[in-house]
Amino acid sequence: AQSVTQLDSQVPVFEEAPVELRCNYSSSVSVYLFWYVQYPNQGLQLLLKYLSGSTLVESINGFEAEFNKSQTSFHLRKPSVHISDTAEYFCAVSDGNTGKLIFGQGTTLQVKP
Amino acid sequence: IAGITQAPTSQILAAGRRMTLRCTQDMRHNAMYWYRQDLGLGLRLIHYSNTAGTTGKGEVPDGYSVSRANTDDFPLTLASAVPSQTSVYFCASSPQGTDTQYFGPGTRLTVL
Repeated sequence: AQSVTQLDSQVPVFEEAPVELRCNYSSSVSVYLFWYVQYPNQGLQLLLKYLSGSTLVESINGFEAEFNKSQTSFHLRKPSVHISDTAEYFCAVSDGNTGKLIFGQGTTLQVKP
Repeated sequence: IAGITQAPTSQILAAGRRMTLRCTQDMRHNAMYWYRQDLGLGLRLIHYSNTAGTTGKGEVPDGYSVSRANTDDFPLTLASAVPSQTSVYFCASSPQGTDTQYFGPGTRLTVL
């Protein structure tokens, strides 16, 4: 069975500081990995995904994540955060066959001025 | 419209009542999903449908039923609501084979 663990429930950080949101997964098969973002009182939006190829994937708003197969991790990073990045971030895994996603518990990123 | 719509936006419901949450997408996606979101638990899959006419059980299906009569609609029914079903419910859809899921705005349900 697949599972996802997000190691931090809350991450407070000051504006313009770097941030890393950690995600580890377990699976016995090849996986697809996702990061979704949820802004207050909204649904989830895809931030970035790893399907195959380059292990470093980037989003349009400066986030990046690196697939590390040996450490079964897919940590999300941003070198300089903005107030507008304040949101809930979810890591998710899919086995690519069923299309079903398994989500982590979520990490709340709180960017302070 | 473009995307996924859910109705109602929020609802307060007495325990024991029947309730149907509606979900409609206009992207012609084959697959659709229902999740519930609870604090500290992330999102958990309730039911899914890979194509019109078929449905399957997710991680937490008990107390819920779904139908998929056509491509666009995927209603979720609580036959007899209980307080533990108080949650925020999200519908999602996915084009066949891509795995990226697109989410609706959610329905906040409170069962008293």
